[in-house]
Amino acid sequence: DQQVKQNSPSLSVQEGRISILNCDYTNSMFDYFLWYKKYPAEGPTFLISISSIKDKNEDGRFTVFLNKSAKHLSLHIVPSQPGDSAVYFCAASVNRDDKIIFGKGTRLHILP
Amino acid sequence: DVKVTQSSRYLVKRTGEKVFLECVQDMDHENMFWYRQDPGLGLRLIYFSYDVKMKEKGDIPEGYSVSREKKERFSLILESASTNQTSMYLCASSFLDRGIRGTEAFFGQGTRLTVV
Repeated sequence: DQQVKQNSPSLSVQEGRISILNCDYTNSMFDYFLWYKKYPAEGPTFLISISSIKDKNEDGRFTVFLNKSAKHLSLHIVPSQPGDSAVYFCAASVNRDDKIIFGKGTRLHILP
Repeated sequence: DVKVTQSSRYLVKRTGEKVFLECVQDMDHENMFWYRQDPGLGLRLIYFSYDVKMKEKGDIPEGYSVSREKKERFSLILESASTNQTSMYLCASSFLDRGIRGTEAFFGQGTRLTVV
């Protein structure tokens, strides 16, 4: 049973526009959510996280929004740049459990 | 800078061989993880460890074992490699009580294992 779902395998966005990546989860015990970016043949790199006590966290061009009632989070990238083309993984964890569960990823293509 | 180092970038092994994948981290992290990444399946947790000699099964532990004899080192063992274990293997580490000391896990560069 997939606890973290990224239903869009891929997304194409024009350079300079906003990229919105979505993620849904089923486990109401999750209390931390993270986004990772991955280039081919490299390990994932951490982008941004959010605690369940917040509904928004911003870091430069990246903003994560959390809607607990809908069990949904999204990553906004504004403005999108060519270097943002990568696979983005949504992840979640229950703090006391410490396991981090990942979604299947969304491949983002930034078009020139 | 946090460093998580995996011993090999690429490995080719034969079916039935015993395979060791090594991972070392230098941040004094309590937690260490092994994931595999496959197309269309994302990152799936194989095993994780929250302390020396402690381990817990992840979502897909079958065919794998792990060893954590020292805090900084976490090994993944394929007792008898099979072709369906051809994959990208990723090691990660993080602090325990991540809510207090930082939420993210840091990843190594990955090991692309091919079993022929």
